[in-house]
Amino acid sequence: GAGVSQSPSNKVTEKGKDVELRCDPISGHTALYWYRQRLGQGLEFLIYFQGNSAPDKSGLPSDRFSAERTGESVSTLTIQRTQQEDSAVYLCASSAVGTYNEQFFGPGTRLTVL
Amino acid sequence: AQSVAQPEDQVNVAEGNPLTVKCTYSVSGNPYLFWYVQYPNRGLQFLLKYITGDNLVKGSYGFEAEFNKSQTSFHLKKPSALVSDSALYFCAVRDGSSGGSYIPTFGRGTSLIVHP
Repeated sequence: GAGVSQSPSNKVTEKGKDVELRCDPISGHTALYWYRQRLGQGLEFLIYFQGNSAPDKSGLPSDRFSAERTGESVSTLTIQRTQQEDSAVYLCASSAVGTYNEQFFGPGTRLTVL
Repeated sequence: AQSVAQPEDQVNVAEGNPLTVKCTYSVSGNPYLFWYVQYPNRGLQFLLKYITGDNLVKGSYGFEAEFNKSQTSFHLKKPSALVSDSALYFCAVRDGSSGGSYIPTFGRGTSLIVHP
């Protein structure tokens, strides 16, 4: 079946512009996660959705970052007034209901802020 | 609180030799442990997990990992490395206890390089 998809795969933007990143999880997966991966670094947790509610937004680095999810489907991560330090790969993952299920990751969106 | 340490940034091994990628963890409740692999310009792929039961867990592509509670470790192993195993490997942990976090904590990753 189809895996997690993300779009765009690459995004180059100018400092100060807003960007919107999209994630389509695996159908039926109720949990959805966003992570940021800077070059040569590990995964930095951003936000977690269970259904369309976000019980944990603790990882969002500033109020320029926001995310929403429609039902148990697509999620968008929005970064307003982008800064150069926002340059990274943004990864989305989903997992099925259950407390011990592994995550399935999308290919990521590589964001470059000039 | 939960944390993961991958003490080696890079592991080098010759093709055909056994490989080990180290991971130690800290969690206040029951550890749920995971290994993922990331190939260049790709997302992470699940390799294996330990939830409960047998301490030796077998996963994809011939990898296995051993859960050691006393040493709080979950090292990834493979008896005979392939050049195609060269990638970035991430260990992750989450607290599986009632009330534990649904958010796994990932290690910084270990780059595995298998030389022909």
